[in-house]
Amino acid sequence: EDQVTQSPEALRLQEGESSSLNCSYTVSGLRGLFWYRQDPGKGPEFLFTLYSAGEEKEKERLKATLTKKESFLHITAPKPEDSATYLCAVQGPDQGGSEKLVFGKGTKLTVNP
Amino acid sequence: NAGVTQTPKFRILKIGQSMTLQCAQDMNHNYMYWYRQDPGMGLKLIYYSVGAGITDKGEVPNGYNVSRSTTEDFPLRLELAAPSQTSVYFCASRVRIQETQYFGPGTRLLVL
Repeated sequence: EDQVTQSPEALRLQEGESSSLNCSYTVSGLRGLFWYRQDPGKGPEFLFTLYSAGEEKEKERLKATLTKKESFLHITAPKPEDSATYLCAVQGPDQGGSEKLVFGKGTKLTVNP
Repeated sequence: NAGVTQTPKFRILKIGQSMTLQCAQDMNHNYMYWYRQDPGMGLKLIYYSVGAGITDKGEVPNGYNVSRSTTEDFPLRLELAAPSQTSVYFCASRVRIQETQYFGPGTRLLVL
């Protein structure tokens, strides 16, 4: 069964203190790995899609990387507005039309000024 | 484009009552999805649709029904509300040729 584990569950950083969030996954035949940001009371906001090991994508202070077993979301010099819950999800192989995006429980990031 | 919209934002139901959660998208996306998010848990897929007139069950479909009569709309029906259906419900959509799903703002449902 496809599984996604995110760590840590919560992370507190000082403004400017860089760090990384981890997403470990088990899926046979990855079609895509997705990172979303979710603010309290809001829907997930799309950040990145990664398709193959070695792929990297960047957006402002965020950089996502992918290996065959895990993905990292690197946050460089974070600001308080980066505080949110970051969700990781994987899409497995297309099995007879079955659609299933498997989500992790998320990492709650707090950046203190 | 408004993207994915959901109504209502919040609703309180009594046990046994019925309601429909509305979802609409104006991006001409073929695929639409309903998820529920419980505190401390990952999003779980309830139902999905790959086009008008075509729907299929996800991971947690019991207690819910869906229909897809148009490309734009994908309502979720709760027939006999139960406390276990207290959750936040998210609708999402995507185009056929891309895997990325785009989410609506959510509907928070409380069943008492």
